[in-house]
Amino acid sequence: EAGVVQSPRYKIIEKKQPVAFWCNPISGHNTLYWYLQNLGQGPELLIRYENEEAVDDSQLPKDRFSAERLKGVDSTLKIQPAELGDSAVYLCASSGSTTPGTQYFGPGTRLLVL
Amino acid sequence: GQQLNQSPQSMFIQEGEDVSMNCTSSSIFNTWLWYKQDPGEGPVLLIALYKAGELTSNGRLTAQFGITRKDSFLNISASIPSDVGIYFCAGPSGSARQLTFGSGTQLTVLP
Repeated sequence: EAGVVQSPRYKIIEKKQPVAFWCNPISGHNTLYWYLQNLGQGPELLIRYENEEAVDDSQLPKDRFSAERLKGVDSTLKIQPAELGDSAVYLCASSGSTTPGTQYFGPGTRLLVL
Repeated sequence: GQQLNQSPQSMFIQEGEDVSMNCTSSSIFNTWLWYKQDPGEGPVLLIALYKAGELTSNGRLTAQFGITRKDSFLNISASIPSDVGIYFCAGPSGSARQLTFGSGTQLTVLP
């Protein structure tokens, strides 16, 4: 069974540019998460989707960050415009209905904003 | 919000030695998860614990869910070089679908 897929793996952009990350969760997993991980820290939740509905986006900086999961499968996280402090790893995870607390992570997208 | 205190922050051990790390919380968790993160990769689930007192093994790894539900530990026996990485504890909070992570234990295995 394929795991969580993310692309791109790495992205280098200049500040004020837009950037987008893509995630494909494990097949059959209705819940999808986007996390931010700064160097030396654990992941922190940005947004959680149940199917196509964003049910927890309290930690998402909505002035510049947006996310969508239009058909309840793939998801895109966007930053516009990017700032220097956005340099981090952006992780996508998914979980199934039988063990909702157990999340499986993708490899992440490493963003560097210059 | 809930916080997980993970210790030690880092460990340097010789290959073949056993390792122990733990995680504590000021509030109760109903699930404890242990993840390992290799450089340049996302966290990989090692062990999931769902019941207080539960002791679960995965190869050379053993984890226990504390009786008080406020702590958990992870043991690695006979460490090998590929055990190098960052180990995170995590537990669901809020609606049980939001994971809170510890700050991680950086493990280095010396040959």
